[in-house]
Amino acid sequence: GAVVSQHPSRVICKSGTSVKIECRSLDFQATTMFWYRQFPKQSLMLMATSNEGSKATYEQGVEKDKFLINHASLTLSTLTVTSAHPEDSSFYICSARDGAGGLDTQYFGPGTRLTVL
Amino acid sequence: AQTVTQSQPEMSVQEAETVTLSCTYDTSESNYYLFWYKQPPSRQMILVIRQEAYKQQNATENRFSVNFQKAAKSFSLKISDSQLGDTAMYFCAFMKRSGGGADGLTFGKGTHLIIQP
Repeated sequence: GAVVSQHPSRVICKSGTSVKIECRSLDFQATTMFWYRQFPKQSLMLMATSNEGSKATYEQGVEKDKFLINHASLTLSTLTVTSAHPEDSSFYICSARDGAGGLDTQYFGPGTRLTVL
Repeated sequence: AQTVTQSQPEMSVQEAETVTLSCTYDTSESNYYLFWYKQPPSRQMILVIRQEAYKQQNATENRFSVNFQKAAKSFSLKISDSQLGDTAMYFCAFMKRSGGGADGLTFGKGTHLIIQP
């Protein structure tokens, strides 16, 4: 159980284009999902919290107009990197919160490697 | 805000040995969770073990166990009978326990564990 998928796994795009990344909880409902960013050989940094049916909450320093988050259903959250630039190249990982039965644990998707040329 | 510190950037042990990874954290919260996640070369984050701060008993999962010292704010991971497949980055993570919502994870910088044959 507790499987989270992420699509695409890898994307290469030109500078100035927008890229959408999907995160799905496959076998549980997730009212809350999270988006993290991981630079090479570094730890994960929380970018934003995505709540189903409401606006996302962004961490300090993360531009909400650049990283658009939509959590339209209990199993799907999307992150759109708008007008991507080379400095946005990174590994983006989502997680979904499983709060059933008082577990309150986050399960992670496999990540998306974004390369902006 | 909370911080998580992993003071061992890299560790190397022989197969079948026992290894302990260190983690300390700083927080003013009284209600929280602590986790150890494993990230193999595939970069998929895998939950290893979780600990609820209000529980005094140390969590165990097969070969993995923790030594949770709440007063000292220490949360170390012990891996017994280490296997080649345990080779990975290990991240210690903190999550505040919220009343109805959920908070993102704060990660340490990670420890690269290498199991030698």
